[in-house]
Amino acid sequence: RKEVEQDPGPFNVPEGATVAFNCTYSNSASQSFFWYRQDCRKEPKLLMSVYSSGNEDGRFTAQLNRASQYISLLIRDSKLSDSATYLCVVTSSGGSYIPTFGRGTSLIVHP
Amino acid sequence: EAGVAQSPRYKIIEKRQSVAFWCNPISGHATLYWYQQILGQGPKLLIQFQNNGVVDDSQLPKDRFSAERLKGVDSTLKIQPAKLEDSAVYLCASSPRGSGGTEAFFGQGTRLTVV
Repeated sequence: RKEVEQDPGPFNVPEGATVAFNCTYSNSASQSFFWYRQDCRKEPKLLMSVYSSGNEDGRFTAQLNRASQYISLLIRDSKLSDSATYLCVVTSSGGSYIPTFGRGTSLIVHP
Repeated sequence: EAGVAQSPRYKIIEKRQSVAFWCNPISGHATLYWYQQILGQGPKLLIQFQNNGVVDDSQLPKDRFSAERLKGVDSTLKIQPAKLEDSAVYLCASSPRGSGGTEAFFGQGTRLTVV
């Protein structure tokens, strides 16, 4: 089983739709969780951190479920500009923090 | 604030040749990462430095890949000899300290094509 698993998609949704991605992780000792966004042929950039209490940033909501070992990202009112790959990152600590990326989920928002 | 600088942006080499990539992290960032991203996959961590010490290099193919960060600032990643399957984007990232709870900032990457 891979450490961090994501459905690669693509998720093809119309503008205005709500879409959700999940990411599962295998290491129960994982410490920190993030969602990164990567545009085509660009470097990944932090979208948001994921806190135990959940967090919201505008149209984006991230949640963590430690019991089931997954994190989620919800995008409301999708925009064309949301089209990108969304990468889940899980950081584990065995004395040092080692970040592991999922393979990413591709989102395509169409008119 | 200047971002993470990487060079070159693109490189095409023949198999069995050598290649080196350079990275200058954000000033003051103690942690530096090298990732390999193959098309259609997520970035795979090759090596992580904390200052000039190696934190993790468990996924670095040490028979052909090497990396150093001698003065705890900039870093080089070398491949010798290159194989076709090394074709990928090599991303350098840095963070202020250990990545637990802190954001990693990425450079634009070096796109390597091995022919």
